[in-house]
Amino acid sequence: NAGVMQNPRHLVRRRGQEARLRCSPMKGHSHVYWYRQLPEEGLKFMVYLQKENIIDESGMPKERFSAEFPKEGPSILRIQQVVRGDSAAYFCASSIQNTEAFFGQGTRLTVV
Amino acid sequence: AQTVTQSQPEMSVQEAETVTLSCTYDTSESDYYLFWYKQPPSRQMILVIRQEAYKQQNATENRFSVNFQKAAKSFSLKISDSQLGDAAMYFCAYSFGSNYKLTFGKGTLLTVNP
Repeated sequence: NAGVMQNPRHLVRRRGQEARLRCSPMKGHSHVYWYRQLPEEGLKFMVYLQKENIIDESGMPKERFSAEFPKEGPSILRIQQVVRGDSAAYFCASSIQNTEAFFGQGTRLTVV
Repeated sequence: AQTVTQSQPEMSVQEAETVTLSCTYDTSESDYYLFWYKQPPSRQMILVIRQEAYKQQNATENRFSVNFQKAAKSFSLKISDSQLGDAAMYFCAYSFGSNYKLTFGKGTLLTVNP
């Protein structure tokens, strides 16, 4: 049973470009969470999705950031017009309802 | 809003000895969950131990145990017989309700000296 898969592991974008981060949850998991980890910080919640629904996006910046979890395929975290402050590690976790969430290895985004 | 505080940015321990990492939290909820996660240099977040607030008994997983003091809102992690592979960043985390939305502390970097 493969774990939570995130790709790419490393992503470099120039300022103003778009970043797309992908997360394939564990088999059978229909709940996905995205977190951001800035240098020297703990993980900060961004968004919680179930298939085709955003349940809680209270941690998402109001502009440039969006997330989706379609019926088929991975969950996508999209950052438009990236700025240097978006440089961070982005983690995805998946779970079956009300059970332990398993984390992926993260995507390290560097904006140059 | 819930907050999680880890007051020790760094800790070190000699191999085979015991170390305790501190965590305090603030919440107005009565039913919640507390966790310790380990993040080694690979960045993978690994669940070390989990505690349900309604359980008075402290959780234990092999060499890892917690001291959960609900009234004091304290949740410390004790690592016994420390091993070199225990060296990592340790995060305390909190969640409540029917989902797994976690609030993390800033972490404690644990060094294990041979």
